[in-house]
Amino acid sequence: DARVTQTPRDKVTEMGQEVTMRCQPILGHNTVFWYRQTMMQGLELLAYFRNRAPLDDSGMPKDRFSAEMPDATLATLKIQPSEPRDSAVYFCASGIHYNEQFFGPGTRLTVL
Amino acid sequence: DAKTTQPPSMDCAEGRAANLPCNHSTISGNEYVYWYRQIHSQGPQYIIHGLKNNETNEMASLIITEDRKSSTLILPHATLRDTAVYYCIVRADSGSARQLTFGSGTQLTVLP
Repeated sequence: DARVTQTPRDKVTEMGQEVTMRCQPILGHNTVFWYRQTMMQGLELLAYFRNRAPLDDSGMPKDRFSAEMPDATLATLKIQPSEPRDSAVYFCASGIHYNEQFFGPGTRLTVL
Repeated sequence: DAKTTQPPSMDCAEGRAANLPCNHSTISGNEYVYWYRQIHSQGPQYIIHGLKNNETNEMASLIITEDRKSSTLILPHATLRDTAVYYCIVRADSGSARQLTFGSGTQLTVLP
């Protein structure tokens, strides 16, 4: 049963620290998405890649967030420096066709 | 992508059909209706999608009105595990996976 995996599942850190979240998309999927979910904003898109190339990162604060796909099996989302307002659940999703995206279990980030 | 309107919450008795409405009066001809759900603390899960014809799969049925301005997701025999936030999303498709724009959804509570 193919699934999207994300690590870590939970992360608590202090303001100013670097945070790296990782995602392993489903093998064969060519599109990877990063979403963020907070109580106030709901689910919002941060960035997405197709065939490892960034297609849209307009939802990310450029000064502190960066997203990469070093290879087809790994996507990373980095925050440096982290701030308390970055506290949220970060979801990775992957897909290949237009009809369905598969979401990972999320990384719950708490920045103190 | 067209905007959708959903009731914020609904209750349903276990074993009964749950009918979740969605209004999308500004939908255009090439836009599909998608339904996802998010069970507490999990990533969103694809349920079903359609263009103009009614659709059914192992999870649910999707009924789209003839003018396509509204639709209803039907869970035929709701169980406690169907308690979740249900998102109706309208989106044009290009053949490849694209980002999803989530609204606030409907919190469905299945009551024992």
